[in-house]
Amino acid sequence: GAGVSQSPSNKVTEKGKDVELRCDPISGHTALYWYRQSLGQGLEFLIYFQGNSAPDKSGLPSDRFSAERTGGSVSTLTIQRTQQEDSAVYLCASSLEFFRQGNTGELFFGEGSRLTVL
Amino acid sequence: AQSVSQHNHHVILSEAASLELGCNYSYGGTVNLFWYVQYPGQHLQLLLKYFSGDPLVKGIKGFEAEFIKSKFSFNLRKPSVQWSDTAEYFCAVTSFSGGYNKLIFGAGTRLAVHP
Repeated sequence: GAGVSQSPSNKVTEKGKDVELRCDPISGHTALYWYRQSLGQGLEFLIYFQGNSAPDKSGLPSDRFSAERTGGSVSTLTIQRTQQEDSAVYLCASSLEFFRQGNTGELFFGEGSRLTVL
Repeated sequence: AQSVSQHNHHVILSEAASLELGCNYSYGGTVNLFWYVQYPGQHLQLLLKYFSGDPLVKGIKGFEAEFIKSKFSFNLRKPSVQWSDTAEYFCAVTSFSGGYNKLIFGAGTRLAVHP
C-alpha cells in the first residue's frame, strides 16, 4: 500500500475484554515495529519484527500483550484482559530494510489505533 | 539503558519567533539521531536525521538540527516559525542491541504557534 495502515482507528472496550489491533505495513518493508504513545509519555517501544520473527519483545509491558506477524506482512497486536492503564495510542511503523547500524533506516508510521479501556 | 531527554514539554511562540527545542541522549557509542514531527490529526513523519558527516543537518520546512557530540545533544532549530509549525516534536536516537537498531524516543515537545 501507499502507507502504513492500522485498524481500528479507534477502539473502546470494557476492562477485562481482549482486543486485537492490526497493522498493514508498506509493501516490501521487512522491518515492523509497534510503539505505544501515552499522554505525556512519548513513544514506548513494544516489539520489533524482522520478517515473521520477533528478535526483540523486551518492550511488551506484560504477558497480556502478544504480537505476531504472518507472511512477512500484516501484524496483529493482541491485548488480553485489558486494563485501564492499557489506554493509549498504539502505533505501528515499518522500515524498508533491516535497521542495522550504519543504515539510517527511516521508520514510516501509521496513524495509530486509539484504545480506550473503560 | 539508552535514553532521550527533551527539555521542554510545551512551547508557545508567536509567528516569526525563533525556535530551539532541546534534545539530549545518553549513549557513548555511534548514534543515529532523528527528529520526527506529528501535526494535529496526522501520523508521525520524519523531519530530519543525522547519521554521519556534517553535524549541521537540514530538514524539511526550514528546520535544522546540530549534532554536538561532546554535549550529547541534537537540538532542533528554526529561525522563524509559522502557525503551520504547530505540532508535537519527538527526538529519537538509535539503540544498537542484539544485532539491530531500534529507535528510542523522547517524551515529545508540544509546540503552539500563535498568529
